[in-house]
Amino acid sequence: DAKTTQPNSMESNEEEPVHLPCNHSTISGTDYIHWYRQLPSQGPEYVIHGLTSNVNNRMASLAIAEDRKSSTLILHRATLRDAAVYYCILIQGAQKLVFGQGTRLTINP
Amino acid sequence: NAGVMQNPRHLVRRRGQEARLRCSPMKGHSHVYWYRQLPEEGLKFMVYLQKENIIDESGMPKERFSAEFPKEGPSILRIQQVVRGDSAAYFCASSRTGSYGYTFGSGTRLTVV
Repeated sequence: DAKTTQPNSMESNEEEPVHLPCNHSTISGTDYIHWYRQLPSQGPEYVIHGLTSNVNNRMASLAIAEDRKSSTLILHRATLRDAAVYYCILIQGAQKLVFGQGTRLTINP
Repeated sequence: NAGVMQNPRHLVRRRGQEARLRCSPMKGHSHVYWYRQLPEEGLKFMVYLQKENIIDESGMPKERFSAEFPKEGPSILRIQQVVRGDSAAYFCASSRTGSYGYTFGSGTRLTVV
């Protein structure tokens, strides 16, 4: 499995944008970049995924570097409910999700 | 459209007993994955099943653990002769295609006393 590197923790304030980085320098051409998050005492939740182009959905935006060696998950306006552990995962074809340590995001009121 | 249903939500077993954890995937999903999360740790893959077949069990402990996904009914993760180290949250995920769109259940929290 291609490896990703994320900061252990980040902190932000409510109603401010949050940029969560992920490095994946060994990404292959067919690896999709997926983001999941896990709220306290809950199962992981799908956030967004992309291949090459930037992606937007109702939860977040995904900005993918031109060389695809890094990506950034953007929460446009963080709320207290966005406090969670965020995981950046590379998936190729029909594979299982392999979770790293993720980034623990704290939102200050 | 109900999500992935796991039951029970909480399960307490004495050492040496058996634990059975059930997972009903989303409607139309035929791929099921089980994960274990020890306290304060990350999620570890255990097993990947597709109806009646085990596709990948590389994360399953060699002894006491087994999983099945029969043609009819939920997927079952079975732990025989539980020990205190089995205490963890066990999560199930399902997928329609096996390549993206994984939906997780709320987990079963197993406590071994």
